[in-house]
Amino acid sequence: SQKIEQNSEALNIQEGKTATLTCNYTNYSPAYLQWYRQDPGRGPVFLLLIRENEKEKRKERLKVTFDTTLKQSLFHITASQPADSATYLCAPESGTYKYIFGTGTRLKVLA
Amino acid sequence: EAQVTQNPRYLITVTGKKLTVTCSQNMNHEYMSWYRQDPGLGLRQIYYSMNVEVTDKGDVPEGYKVSRKEKRNFPLILESPSPNQTSLYFCASSTSGLAGGYTGELFFGEGSRLTVL
Repeated sequence: SQKIEQNSEALNIQEGKTATLTCNYTNYSPAYLQWYRQDPGRGPVFLLLIRENEKEKRKERLKVTFDTTLKQSLFHITASQPADSATYLCAPESGTYKYIFGTGTRLKVLA
Repeated sequence: EAQVTQNPRYLITVTGKKLTVTCSQNMNHEYMSWYRQDPGLGLRQIYYSMNVEVTDKGDVPEGYKVSRKEKRNFPLILESPSPNQTSLYFCASSTSGLAGGYTGELFFGEGSRLTVL
């Protein structure tokens, strides 16, 4: 069955450092991969989408890579700030409209 | 303001008492979907709808019903709630698949926390 794995343990980093979150998927070939941010008790908020033919995508301090050979996406936040503390979800999507989300990685940026 | 509105935000009910969670979006989106979020299991899709009168099952449809009679509304119906349906529910909408199958970013509501006793 299709499976998505994100770091289940929380990631703590110091302010100003680069945070790197991992999303691995198995048993399917997504055409797109989306990343969302979720704050406690709130709905997820869209951050970035990367297509299978794109190796890298950037938006301000965010960078996403997509390696279809490794079946992995990396999500980077550079110059991290305490306000970046949240849970980050990846959602590979194969174009069938049935989104599957990872369980998310909780990021805490320490001041 | 573009938004997805869910009601109620919080609900405590008892086993077997039918309930409906409403979802409305003001972005003229064709695609709408429902998810439940449980600790350790993440977001799981319950049902989705590509357009009016077009719905399909997600990964965990058992115990739920949906309808899409109007483009803006997509209610989630629990005909006979059970304690295992205690969860945090999210409705989301998006532009539907365009040429090439791109479904667009999902816009989520604020969530409805349901407790079934």
